[in-house]
Order: sequence, then C-alpha cells, then structure tokens
Amino acid sequence: AQTVTQSQPEMSVQEAETVTLSCTYDTSENNYYLFWYKQPPSRQMILVIRQEAYKQQNATENRFSVNFQKAAKSFSLKISDSQLGDTAMYFCAFMKPVLDNYGQNFVFGPGTRLSVLP
Amino acid sequence: GAVVSQHPSRVICKSGTSVKIECRSLDFQATTMFWYRQFPKKSLMLMATSNEGSKATYEQGVEKDKFLINHASLTLSTLTVTSAHPEDSSFYICSARDFGGGTPYEQYFGPGTRLTVT
Repeated sequence: AQTVTQSQPEMSVQEAETVTLSCTYDTSENNYYLFWYKQPPSRQMILVIRQEAYKQQNATENRFSVNFQKAAKSFSLKISDSQLGDTAMYFCAFMKPVLDNYGQNFVFGPGTRLSVLP
Repeated sequence: GAVVSQHPSRVICKSGTSVKIECRSLDFQATTMFWYRQFPKKSLMLMATSNEGSKATYEQGVEKDKFLINHASLTLSTLTVTSAHPEDSSFYICSARDFGGGTPYEQYFGPGTRLTVT
C-alpha cells in the first residue's frame, strides 16, 4: 500500500517570504499522480497543484511550484511571496490511476498547518 | 470548474437515530464518488468508494452496516449514518470524479458536513 509522509506538522512564514513544505511517499508504482491540496478554515479542499509522475518537468501554478524528485520519492511544495490567505492546512496526496483491490487509490498525507504571519 | 455540493452542511442528531448526508455533482456526471472522514486537526481518511449503480467498496475497518452508501444516479451519492453514536461525530467530506471529462485523475471535493451526535 502507498503511504504519504509530511514531516512538518506546523510551519510559519512571514508575509511575502518563501516557504517550502515537504512530502515524501512510498510506492512501487511507476505511473501515478501527486497533488497538493489546501484546506483553509472553511474546510473546503482546494487543489493547489498537480504533478504527473511521467513528467520530469516540475509543475508550476503562479506562486506555487513543486520540486518532484521521483527517484527519491519526494514532492515538496514551494510557496513564493506568501500571502495571508495562504494560511491553511496543506495536504500532499498520492493517486494511482486505477483502483486497487481495496478500492483505495487516493492517499493523503497527515498535513502541514501553515501560518502566514503579517 | 466542477462543483460538488453537500447537504446539510451541519447536522445535530440524537444518539440512536440515523442521519443522511447528500453529495451532488452539480455540473458533471460523477461515475465515482468517495466519502472521507476527517477528525479535528487530522487528515482525510477514505471510508468508501461508490460507483453509480453498484455496491460501494468500503475501506478496511469501516462498518458497512453502519455507514450506508448509495450512489443511485450519476449526480447523487448519499451516506447514511445509522444508529449514530457520539463517536460518529466528525467532519464528513465527499468527492467526485468525472471519468468522462478531460481530467479523470481530478477529484472535486464537497464543502463537507459536520455531524454532531448528542
């Protein structure tokens, strides 16, 4: 079974600074997807960024970028020019393209609580 | 983007009663829907996967007789918590996947339902 680890339970960053959230995962699959989701106080899950494992190029979405190291099974999220609205829980997630025998193919990490300080 | 709604957003019920939570995909057909449970300050735990017109696939440790899932149409899945007890109090989140769209790996999350059992 796949596992996702986020070693930083909490982090803080000053507004306008840059912060990196770490994520590692364990899988024997070669083809998969990785995601970062944001969960603000409203509890609504919001997709931040997505990476296909077969793509070597790191995904970028405006101020958000990832450092995907497939061999190391690492998938960190960099937030540049942090804004107060970035304060939220951030979950790293792994997905296999198809369901396995137990029906689970989407695994979330434990989350990192990010606080952006004014 | 695709929208998933949940109803109700909050519900309080008495111990021993049953409560139903609805999850609807508003602008796409969801062949697969997922139900998650989230404890305070914790990650999302997948409870079950439901495919339209077939029985749900439950994760290990989830009581299928307690958490009844029905996916009767391509836009609606329901989770019924039967004979609720205080330990069932939690935040329940559904998500839906549109295999017919251009992004079959994408999961669209509902806003969640907070269940409190007194």
